[in-house]
Amino acid sequence: GAVVSQHPSRVICKSGTSVKIECRSLDFQATTMFWYRQFPKQSLMLMATSNEGSKATYEQGVEKDKFLINHASLTLSTLTVTSAHPEDSSFYICSVVRRPATGEQYFGPGTRLTVT
Amino acid sequence: ELKVEQNPLFLSMQEGKNYTIYCNYSTTSDRLYWYRQDPGKSLESLFVLLSNGAVKQEGRLMASLDTKARLSTLHITAAVHDLSATYFCAVTPFNQGGSEKLVFGKGTKLTVNP
Repeated sequence: GAVVSQHPSRVICKSGTSVKIECRSLDFQATTMFWYRQFPKQSLMLMATSNEGSKATYEQGVEKDKFLINHASLTLSTLTVTSAHPEDSSFYICSVVRRPATGEQYFGPGTRLTVT
Repeated sequence: ELKVEQNPLFLSMQEGKNYTIYCNYSTTSDRLYWYRQDPGKSLESLFVLLSNGAVKQEGRLMASLDTKARLSTLHITAAVHDLSATYFCAVTPFNQGGSEKLVFGKGTKLTVNP
């Protein structure tokens, strides 16, 4: 069964509005979750590392004030895209490390964001 | 900065044929992963390679890792249409202080034709 869920799976919003994406770890507690972004026909780029109980760690070039991450509990991390613009349209995917000994990550089903 | 290169980026092959996808990375790493992505879907974990010389096989796919050459291969044997997908390799930078950050290659889009 699914290890990681995301909600919503698809969202269309107007430019200037904010969108919240949820990532849930279903089987276990995750102190760390990762958020990736994937533009069409491109690879995944890590945006930030979400840490339960502390601030997220953002990758270089990712605006932390635009992409707000809240790791509210050991099973939930949220990504809020604030004041969205068409260039933020992308596939957003979260992941959790299922087996720390191997570092293998399990990915959520992704959220397709379209900003009009 | 760790860079991960895959080749080829596009691969069209006939059913029944064999082929290999290559993944090179630029700095030391002790963890390499292969993922599959179908169109419009998320990533499915295929293989986890953790040591030099590691070889893993699942069905028609076999992955190997040479840490000295900083090279991993994904070999496809007797391809079938169901293997059509995009395949990504990803590497964890060595000595990241416990972080499991992944750096992905650009992906190889595989199309298997009947």
